[in-house]
Amino acid sequence: GAGVSQTPSNKVTEKGKYVELRCDPISGHTALYWYRQSLGQGPEFLIYFQGTGAADDSGLPNDRFFAVRPEGSVSTLKIQRTERGDSAVYLCASSFDGGANTGELFFGEGSRLTVL
Amino acid sequence: GNSVTQMEGPVTLSEEAFLTINCTYTATGYPSLFWYVQYPGEGLQLLLKATKADDKGSNKGFEATYRKETTSFHLEKGSVQVSDSAVYFCALSDQNGGFKTIFGAGTRLFVKA
Repeated sequence: GAGVSQTPSNKVTEKGKYVELRCDPISGHTALYWYRQSLGQGPEFLIYFQGTGAADDSGLPNDRFFAVRPEGSVSTLKIQRTERGDSAVYLCASSFDGGANTGELFFGEGSRLTVL
Repeated sequence: GNSVTQMEGPVTLSEEAFLTINCTYTATGYPSLFWYVQYPGEGLQLLLKATKADDKGSNKGFEATYRKETTSFHLEKGSVQVSDSAVYFCALSDQNGGFKTIFGAGTRLFVKA
């Protein structure tokens, strides 16, 4: 597709379970970002990839959160031992080139995670 | 560290009213500044941007001027429409922050017919 695609759009899980959220960026975009958005708040930065490597993972809240982008395109955000506080909308964005040329971010519609 | 503060909402206006949404920032470097908009049921999208002091970004009748002396990037529109009802996010990105874009909390705008 032409835009950023995120799956699943909704995920309901139980406390303690493992979750994977997938992001398919716009073709040719080298930079990929994960954000978390709680109700009534702005997007909170989690991690940023430039190509296959994580250029900045300073926003990951703890070691239960991990993200990969093995071929420099699709990325997966992995959450282990989920907690109720992890409930949020997880947003993925891509841009043509991060770094000094950072400009417009193109966002997906998000994956809504609910931890019961 | 870098941060963005924007006025709390919701803001409720009648159609054709003048809109201002205040945004101020803290940054250690020379950031680029952005306004993103989230319409109901849609993802965030860029509304406008400015990359250096005194630049004015504009789009769809909205404007914002990068004011370094007051560290502000206020969003304005002279005459709002019902279709402008959305949540507006001020954001910045700069080298000292590792180029990640950070966002304010958002301001919800309701425009009544």
